Amino acid sequence: DTGVSQNPRHKITKRGQNVTFRCDPISEHNRLYWYRQTLGQGPEFLTYFQNEAQLEKSRLLSDRFSAERPKGSFSTLEIQRTEQGDSAMYLCASSQQGRDRKFGPGTRLTVT
Amino acid sequence: SQQGEEDPQALSIQEGENATMNCSYKTSINNLQWYRQNSGRGLVHLILIRSNEREKHSGRLRVTLDTSKKSSSLLITASRAADTASYFCATDPTDKLIFGTGTRLQVFP
Repeated sequence: DTGVSQNPRHKITKRGQNVTFRCDPISEHNRLYWYRQTLGQGPEFLTYFQNEAQLEKSRLLSDRFSAERPKGSFSTLEIQRTEQGDSAMYLCASSQQGRDRKFGPGTRLTVT
Repeated sequence: SQQGEEDPQALSIQEGENATMNCSYKTSINNLQWYRQNSGRGLVHLILIRSNEREKHSGRLRVTLDTSKKSSSLLITASRAADTASYFCATDPTDKLIFGTGTRLQVFP
């Protein structure tokens, strides 16, 4: 068990560009969560999946954000037409039916 | 949006002292969890207390829960420099975890 992994760890992009992040959960975990964390704040829930089904989306997840988990394993989070306000740490976590939740190291996005 | 507030926002102590941080939340809960986050890293789960529990211990950690006041506290005894981190409480109304604003703890050797 190598834990939850996220790639890339850091991403710098120019405003208006699209970015995609990947999360690989713990293999036996069926739930996968995305959070966003801005400096000095706690993580804020974005969305979560049970297997390949996206069960809940936060109002924070604007139309420019989309998340997928096509085969119920890894997940991607895409942000289209990035804005400076999207600069944040994007955290992924996984769990088995809500138990034993583990977080990944995060992807830090900087939009210039 | 955040579930609630943590207090204090920042805390500086010497090694060996105890650190107490408080968390208030807004809605009914099934359980409340505490997490630690080292600078720029992911979160590590510390302890979970269920809504029908009032106090729980794990090593140097002691957590209390008062559901009538919608508040919880985390006590770290005999602090070490390695305890330097941000600490967050989180509630779990529908499995999505709602975090507080966090307390930044600095432990000086």
